[in-house]
Amino acid sequence: GENVEQHPSTLSVQEGDSAVIKCTYSDSASNYFPWYKQELGKRPQLIIDIRSNVGEKKDQRIAVTLNKTAKHFSLHITETQPEDSAVYFCAATTGNDMRFGAGTRLTVKP
Amino acid sequence: DAGVIQSPRHEVTEMGQEVTLRCKPISGHDYLFWYRQTMMRGLELLIYFNNNVPIDDSGMPEDRFSAKMPNASFSTLKIQPSEPRDSAVYFCASTPVLGTDEAFFGQGTRLTVV
Repeated sequence: GENVEQHPSTLSVQEGDSAVIKCTYSDSASNYFPWYKQELGKRPQLIIDIRSNVGEKKDQRIAVTLNKTAKHFSLHITETQPEDSAVYFCAATTGNDMRFGAGTRLTVKP
Repeated sequence: DAGVIQSPRHEVTEMGQEVTLRCKPISGHDYLFWYRQTMMRGLELLIYFNNNVPIDDSGMPEDRFSAKMPNASFSTLKIQPSEPRDSAVYFCASTPVLGTDEAFFGQGTRLTVV
């Protein structure tokens, strides 16, 4: 099955700085790569996703890039705010499987 | 739709007892997943169903864990007998199509085995 690795496990930035979280996957058949944000005590919720026919996607302060050749994708958050503090999960999905990375705990210091 | 509904939200039980967690997926979603979340291991996929049929249960930790989906609107995850190391948050998620669509998570069940 698919194996997803996510780095770093924790990330602390100053408000206004950028944050980058990276994931690698093992199954070249993976074609859908969602990112989820989980606030303390709440459920994971989708914040952005990218499909394998696209190299980059942006939504306001959030962007995701995908390199299918290298089998890695990244989440970029610009102009971070305290409310961005949460655990972020990447996932890689084929038609037969959906696996998550271990998560990155992002802390944005005011 | 009210989203994915899990019950109970919290469960405290004694070691050795049977625990049953319940999930109602979003109507029309053909895929249902059970995940376990712990600080040490993150989100682990336990099992998933497609059209009520278990497809991959390789993540189920051991025979004490079992899952069923008797119909399209209901699934259970059972632990018998429960152990303290089973303490975690258990999430159910559903999606209409695997591989192209967002998965929607329930609120989770926080299980504590003492």
